[in-house]
Amino acid sequence: GALVYQYPRRTICKSGTSMRMECQAVGFQATSVAWYRQSPQKTFELIALSTVNSAIKYEQNFTQEKFPISHPNLSFSSMTVLNAYLEDRGLYLCGVRLGGAETLYFGSGTRLTVL
Amino acid sequence: QQKVQQSPESLIVPEGGMASLNCTSSDRNVDYFWWYRQHSGKSPKMLMSIFSNGEKEEGRFTVHLNKASLHTSLHIRDSQPSDSALYLCAAPMNYNQGKLIFGQGTKLSIKP
Repeated sequence: GALVYQYPRRTICKSGTSMRMECQAVGFQATSVAWYRQSPQKTFELIALSTVNSAIKYEQNFTQEKFPISHPNLSFSSMTVLNAYLEDRGLYLCGVRLGGAETLYFGSGTRLTVL
Repeated sequence: QQKVQQSPESLIVPEGGMASLNCTSSDRNVDYFWWYRQHSGKSPKMLMSIFSNGEKEEGRFTVHLNKASLHTSLHIRDSQPSDSALYLCAAPMNYNQGKLIFGQGTKLSIKP
């Protein structure tokens, strides 16, 4: 079956520093990867949608300068949170789409704590 | 801006009872939905999807879709404590752009 690995599972960083998270699809080709953030208040926000060989589309309130994403091939994507502050805390999820299907399959998430 | 609204925000149901969750999209171009379940400390897992008007049943779970009202509902019969979770409704954003947006979720608690 399809598996989506996301790591690290948890990370703690000091305010103003940066951290990188990775998303790996195993057993299938991930034609697109959507990065979401689930805040401590449980709101579920789309950060950006990354499709191989296409420009990455960021949603309102999220920028490439703050959340640079790399999607070099059909099995791997990474996102960095630059200059993290308290408001960046939350669970970051990568959602992967198989082929032309629209259903998203999520990785385990990376929980970011900012001190 | 397109929104997906879920209600209620939280729900307590006795074990063995029926849980009913609601979801509506504000975008008239959206007429299909997904339901995800997220247990505490875990990532969301796709529970059911519905693309056609009417009803879809899988075990104890039934999903309804009314395209005219852009409304979907999830019903869980014979609720079990293991059904306690955050239930998220998702709809495609700006039809055919490949994005899903999620509602704020319904926190379901099943009381033994």
